[in-house]
Amino acid sequence: ETGVTQTPRHLVMGMTNKKSLKCEQHLGHNAMYWYKQSAKKPLELMFVYNFKEQTENNSVPSRFSPECPNSSHLFLHLHTLQPEDSALYLCASSQGGHWNTEAFFGQGTRLTVV
Amino acid sequence: DQQVKQNSPSLSVQEGRISILNCDYTNSMFDYFLWYKKYPAEGPTFLISISSIKDKNEDGRFTVFLNKSAKHLSLHIVPSQPGDSAVYFCAASEGTSGTYKYIFGTGTRLKVLA
Repeated sequence: ETGVTQTPRHLVMGMTNKKSLKCEQHLGHNAMYWYKQSAKKPLELMFVYNFKEQTENNSVPSRFSPECPNSSHLFLHLHTLQPEDSALYLCASSQGGHWNTEAFFGQGTRLTVV
Repeated sequence: DQQVKQNSPSLSVQEGRISILNCDYTNSMFDYFLWYKKYPAEGPTFLISISSIKDKNEDGRFTVFLNKSAKHLSLHIVPSQPGDSAVYFCAASEGTSGTYKYIFGTGTRLKVLA
């Protein structure tokens, strides 16, 4: 399997539920990212991990909790979300500290909070 | 404050003609610029990029131009094809924190009419 894989592709959860999004990359990259895409908004950077260390938290509410156990896997743990958190959540990876490289994205998880 | 802006939410072009998508940025620390293409229910896919030391990069039908003094870049697609219909995101990258992060614009929906 190649590229960046996200599971699940679709998720519906209640506001009191706890769920997790999973991302796996098979590109040998050392940086991984979570982005949020809401309607008519830019892709919003949420978190950046470089060699498993979090290097960026873009003022994300604590109900979103990332976890990066190794350079190939990234999770986003969700709890007590709000309906406005419904969005497409995208994972990406890149060569991290190298200039002139692009990020590769997964297919995304479409999250609906009810 | 939005650092990467795409002021045209949509663009319609006749098949065979040129499509020009524009992007402006505000952060002078950005040193690498990228264009991504996105179809519905999929993650963005990398299209073409340009580093800040160049003013033009060409790849087949796609050319990206960078005007650093104006903090402006554009994507030219010639000739446009119906399969090019998608949302195009401009992104900029900087790595002053040691990890490169990618900041995206809001996207321009391109429709190529047959």
